[in-house]
Amino acid sequence: KQEVTQIPAALSVPEGENLVLNCSFTDSAIYNLQWFRQDPGKGLTSLLLIQSSQREQTSGRLNASLDKSSGRSTLYIAASQPGDSATYLCAVMGGGSQGNLIFGKGTKLSVKP
Amino acid sequence: KAGVTQTPRYLIKTRGQQVTLSCSPISGHRSVSWYQQTPGQGLQFLFEYFSETQRNKGNFPGRFSGRQFSNSRSEMNVSTLELGDSALYLCASRHGALYEQYFGPGTRLTVT
Repeated sequence: KQEVTQIPAALSVPEGENLVLNCSFTDSAIYNLQWFRQDPGKGLTSLLLIQSSQREQTSGRLNASLDKSSGRSTLYIAASQPGDSATYLCAVMGGGSQGNLIFGKGTKLSVKP
Repeated sequence: KAGVTQTPRYLIKTRGQQVTLSCSPISGHRSVSWYQQTPGQGLQFLFEYFSETQRNKGNFPGRFSGRQFSNSRSEMNVSTLELGDSALYLCASRHGALYEQYFGPGTRLTVT
């Protein structure tokens, strides 16, 4: 059974700092991995999608990497801003269930001005 | 393109009642998935519909059901509501099997 873990559960950093959020999964047989952002009481905003054949994806100040063999992904946020404060969720789409995203519990990020 | 829309946004129901939630996917997307989000369990998959057929189902009791219409709009129904059904219900749509999933704003259901 696929399990997704995100460490740390919460992170507080000063504005301008570069930071890394971690995601690990137990079964390397995945189709893809997606990073989301969720603001309090809101839905999920898709940040980056990495297909299983890819190593990384970049969008603006965000860079996500994927190492399938070790079951790990990282989300790198450069030059953090207070507007980046949110919960970041990692989700994998497993090999046997094409519609089923399995989520981690998220990392709650707070960027202090 | 308009994003995924969900109605209603907020709902308060009493134990034992039933509820129907609605989701309109992004235009052209034929796959719709539903998720339940609670503080304790996080995000859990309920089911996925593709071209009006349920393609995948999570580990939820039969009180949770859904359907999809020919225009890809989807509804989720929960019968005999329990206090533990209080949650944020999120709908997501995508173009195809390996494509990015886009989520709606959710319906906040409170069962009293």
